Amino acid sequence: KAGVTQTPRYLIKTRGQQVTLSCSPISGHRSVSWYQQTPGQGLQFLFEYFSETQRNKGNFPGRFSGRQFSNSRSEMNVSTLELGDSALYLCASGGDEQFFGPGTRLTVL
Amino acid sequence: GDSVTQMEGPVTLSEEAFLTINCTYTATGYPSLFWYVQYPGEGLQLLLKATKADDKGSNKGFEATYRKETTSFHLEKGSVQVSDSAVYFCALLTTGGSYIPTFGRGTSLIVHP
Repeated sequence: KAGVTQTPRYLIKTRGQQVTLSCSPISGHRSVSWYQQTPGQGLQFLFEYFSETQRNKGNFPGRFSGRQFSNSRSEMNVSTLELGDSALYLCASGGDEQFFGPGTRLTVL
Repeated sequence: GDSVTQMEGPVTLSEEAFLTINCTYTATGYPSLFWYVQYPGEGLQLLLKATKADDKGSNKGFEATYRKETTSFHLEKGSVQVSDSAVYFCALLTTGGSYIPTFGRGTSLIVHP
């Protein structure tokens, strides 16, 4: 069974630009969660989608948004990038046990 | 709300040393407890879990026992290897809650040959 995949793996953007990250969950998983990981703040929950609906949301500004498609694939978008958005963005699927992808490393210059 | 507190890292050990990483929690309900591991350049992966008091989770030589009386879930391994160098995250999930685990800050383990 294929694991959670995320694309791209690395991304470099400049301040003010926007970015879209993609996540394909494990086949059959309907829940997809997104996390931001930084050395200073650790692992912070962004949002969770279940059957195309946002079910939970973390404490992030509206510049961070997401969506889920009918095949459970999910995208997250960050608009008007700031230097502080540089982080590893992790996607996870599953229920009680979370299966994580390898992450997208976003660098904002 | 729910919270998880882990010992600060990095924890630096020599190969074959005994490992303990402390984890304590606060939960509004009755939680399931987890340890995840993140190897360099990778996402997190589940290492072990326990769903009720006094349960012991184990995997790859690692163990942790769910202690309700002390609200703890300490990770232990009798003899660490260089390949165990990674970041370890303690987490909890409260049944009937938001389905979102609460993670600790992570503890970096460095094992020297």
